[in-house]
Amino acid sequence: TQLLEQSPQFLSIQEGENLTVYCNSSSVFSSLQWYRQEPGEGPVLLVTVVTGGEVKKLKRLTFQFGDARKDSSLHITAAQPGDTGLYLCAGRMNTGNQFYFGTGTSLTVIP
Amino acid sequence: GAGVSQSPSNKVTEKGKDVELRCDPISGHTALYWYRQRLGQGLEFLIYFQGNSAPDKSGLPSDRFSAERTGESVSTLTIQRTQQEDSAVYLCASSFVRESPLHFGNGTRLTVT
Repeated sequence: TQLLEQSPQFLSIQEGENLTVYCNSSSVFSSLQWYRQEPGEGPVLLVTVVTGGEVKKLKRLTFQFGDARKDSSLHITAAQPGDTGLYLCAGRMNTGNQFYFGTGTSLTVIP
Repeated sequence: GAGVSQSPSNKVTEKGKDVELRCDPISGHTALYWYRQRLGQGLEFLIYFQGNSAPDKSGLPSDRFSAERTGESVSTLTIQRTQQEDSAVYLCASSFVRESPLHFGNGTRLTVT
């Protein structure tokens, strides 16, 4: 059972364009994280959000946690080829030990 | 080392053989996770270790899968009688405590022929 659904699954855009990736669930999470994974490597943490409505910015990346803590979004401004990779959201619940990972969004930024 | 280390990086095995995958977590990290990533899919939780507590094995897909961890050090994931559907990248991650962010290794790509 996939608790976190990401959209779109694939995204190919030109350098300089903006984009938004969505991570949605019907479940409530105590925290949510976003990771980026490049081929042949493990996922690398970008950000953790813990409060409903929280917005965090990391240079050109803006992350938002939904008010109800069921969803999140990642917005990239003026995408660059170095942003290419697989973006994964991961949520943790108050009970249980695992992080539930989303289905992933594969982003390609064309120079 | 500075990061999570996994070995081997690649493993090709014949159907029916047993394989053992190794994970060296970051020193001082009490929590350790194993995840499986099939091509084009998200990460699937397998097992969680926290210090000397009993492991959370709720994600292991069958009794062919087992894992061990000695204290807060090395962990091994063993797959017995491998099947073709076991082909995937097996990722290990560690964290300082349960609530801390995960630090992943680069994974072991397992191919069962």
